[in-house]
Amino acid sequence: EPEVTQTPSHQVTQMGQEVILRCVPISNHLYFYWYRQILGQKVEFLVSFYNNEISEKSEIFDDQFSVERPDGSNFTLKIRSTKLEDSAMYFCASSGPRTGTFEAFFGQGTRLTVV
Amino acid sequence: AQSVTQLGSHVSVSEGALVLLRCNYSSSVPPYLFWYVQYPNQGLQLLLKYTTGATLVKGINGFEAEFKKSETSFHLTKPSAHMSDAAEYFCAVSPNFGNEKLTFGTGTRLTIIP
Repeated sequence: EPEVTQTPSHQVTQMGQEVILRCVPISNHLYFYWYRQILGQKVEFLVSFYNNEISEKSEIFDDQFSVERPDGSNFTLKIRSTKLEDSAMYFCASSGPRTGTFEAFFGQGTRLTVV
Repeated sequence: AQSVTQLGSHVSVSEGALVLLRCNYSSSVPPYLFWYVQYPNQGLQLLLKYTTGATLVKGINGFEAEFKKSETSFHLTKPSAHMSDAAEYFCAVSPNFGNEKLTFGTGTRLTIIP
């Protein structure tokens, strides 16, 4: 069964450093998303991406964040200068063509720890 | 705007007993509704979804949910709990346009008592 793959599974970084979280969505999907889950809290939407541009972003997704689909298969989330409060589990998700089932498939997540 | 309320952050049931996890939603447009499960240290797995048609939907692992528009609810049930059902369950809503962002509830941690 196709799946969304995220790397790394766990990343520790120092405050102020840049991090790139990587995702390989399901190959025929066209819509891509990043969500995050701070420990003990609910899953929050960060950004959605379609047709090589951001289609929607939340207020969390400020200028420190960026997304890219550099090569047609990977989908990355970059945090330019990490803060302690960026520590969270980050989930990538993808969903299919418009005539599909509209469900989002999630990766296993990257746990980001900022120290 | 959309929102989801999950009543009960923690629910404990005995093995073999009925599981009922509550979800109420608010949506300015007809919704799509989802239940996801998260096992410890794992990602989110879709249990079931309501898009259109039959309001009682069946999912994996014996779970089902009923969309009740008049009550704006989408409660998750399972007739007989198994130890393997212990996990965190998230209800989510999206607009019925397809491929839109999900708005999640705060989650319900289900504990199964042997």
